[in-house]
Amino acid sequence: GENVEQHPSTLSVQEGDSAVIKCTYSDSASNYFPWYKQELGKRPQLIIDIRSNVGEKKDQRIAVTLNKTAKHFSLHITETQPEDSAVYFCAASRGIYNQGGKLIFGQGTELSVKP
Amino acid sequence: DAGVIQSPRHEVTEMGQEVTLRCKPISGHDYLFWYRQTMMRGLELLIYFNNNVPIDDSGMPEDRFSAKMPNASFSTLKIQPSEPRDSAVYFCASTHGGTGDEQYFGPGTRLTVT
Repeated sequence: GENVEQHPSTLSVQEGDSAVIKCTYSDSASNYFPWYKQELGKRPQLIIDIRSNVGEKKDQRIAVTLNKTAKHFSLHITETQPEDSAVYFCAASRGIYNQGGKLIFGQGTELSVKP
Repeated sequence: DAGVIQSPRHEVTEMGQEVTLRCKPISGHDYLFWYRQTMMRGLELLIYFNNNVPIDDSGMPEDRFSAKMPNASFSTLKIQPSEPRDSAVYFCASTHGGTGDEQYFGPGTRLTVT
């Protein structure tokens, strides 16, 4: 079945350093790849997403890259700050008009940014 | 808009009892999703609706779970009878099919079955 693998499961960085989280998906029909940030006890919140016709997307300190051939995508956070500490989830879907945008989530990465 | 609304926020019940979780999607959204989050299994889709019709319930764990969407502004997820392994955070999310794929999550219901 559809599967998304996410690595690493935990990541600890010093404030100001960069953090990279990687995901691999199995369903070649996937065309939408969102990243969610979840703080303790809170809901997942979308921080950035990318579609299969784009290779890279940036939003201030956050960027996502996609390699469709290899079926993997990555989240890059630069100049990390303590408030970036949270659990990050990648996900993949075929899009809203195919399986209703059903999201398959990775296992999550717990990011800790030390001051 | 108030966003996706879920109730109750916390539920503690005894094994064997019926539990009903409620969700109000964002007004105008035509897709509604129910997810369950546990440490062991992560975030997993249970069921989703389009225009109030259940489309894919393949993630519903067993017959003890049922979901309904009687109208565009209300959905329920029912567990009867509940078991300790049902303890989890249940999220509802919604999206508008015409404007994109982003799903907006509700605050979740933390269910504890003792």
